[in-house]
Amino acid sequence: EVQLVESGGNLVQPGGSLRLSCAASGFTFSNYVMNWVRQVPGKGLEWVSTININGHVTNYADSVKGRFTISRDNSKNALYLQLNSLRAEDTAVYYCVRESIAWSRDYWGQGTLVTVSS
Amino acid sequence: QSALTQPPSASVSPGQSVTISCTGTSNDVGGYNYVSWYQHHPGKAPKLMIYEVSKRPSGVPDRFSGSKSGNTASLTVSGLQAEDEADYYCSSYAGGYNLIFGGGTKLTVL
Repeated sequence: EVQLVESGGNLVQPGGSLRLSCAASGFTFSNYVMNWVRQVPGKGLEWVSTININGHVTNYADSVKGRFTISRDNSKNALYLQLNSLRAEDTAVYYCVRESIAWSRDYWGQGTLVTVSS
Repeated sequence: QSALTQPPSASVSPGQSVTISCTGTSNDVGGYNYVSWYQHHPGKAPKLMIYEVSKRPSGVPDRFSGSKSGNTASLTVSGLQAEDEADYYCSSYAGGYNLIFGGGTKLTVL
């Protein structure tokens, strides 16, 4: 069974940093492109970042470019998101998501909540 | 890119059918057949219901179907059941490395 379990969400002050982790199991992690997607409370979903299978190619939404860094450790079946220079508008539930064919995302974790507030 | 436009809510009686729209532009929905639909029960992991406009992943009931006309994609749920009550989101490839989502539709089964 495919499982994606996020951790690391917390309350942080504006300008602060946080590192999110995602533990993957039930599939060959190194064979899949992985994503982070977020949902602001009460709002829709927003794609945040993507990393290719070997970690050498990354892409970011304009709203987080230069502040967030996605990475992965295939030996540990783990995905990460480093969040720096956090803003109130980054407050959201962050989901770890596996990418599938035709630009779909076939498995999602349950999410971890990041709250940016003083 | 702006988010895709979905109706904020829909209410339907059990056994009936509902169609949820997802409107974009020629740069996203209208330009590619890469529309997906997700079901999200709050507090749980979102679930892929439709990909590539009309294809169902294994395990998704055939009560769920997708289509597209021009810049608008649609998700139809027929024979509604209580467990179908959830939030539904569409997404579309938008060129380059851009994936955009809709604002979501809260489906209530009366």
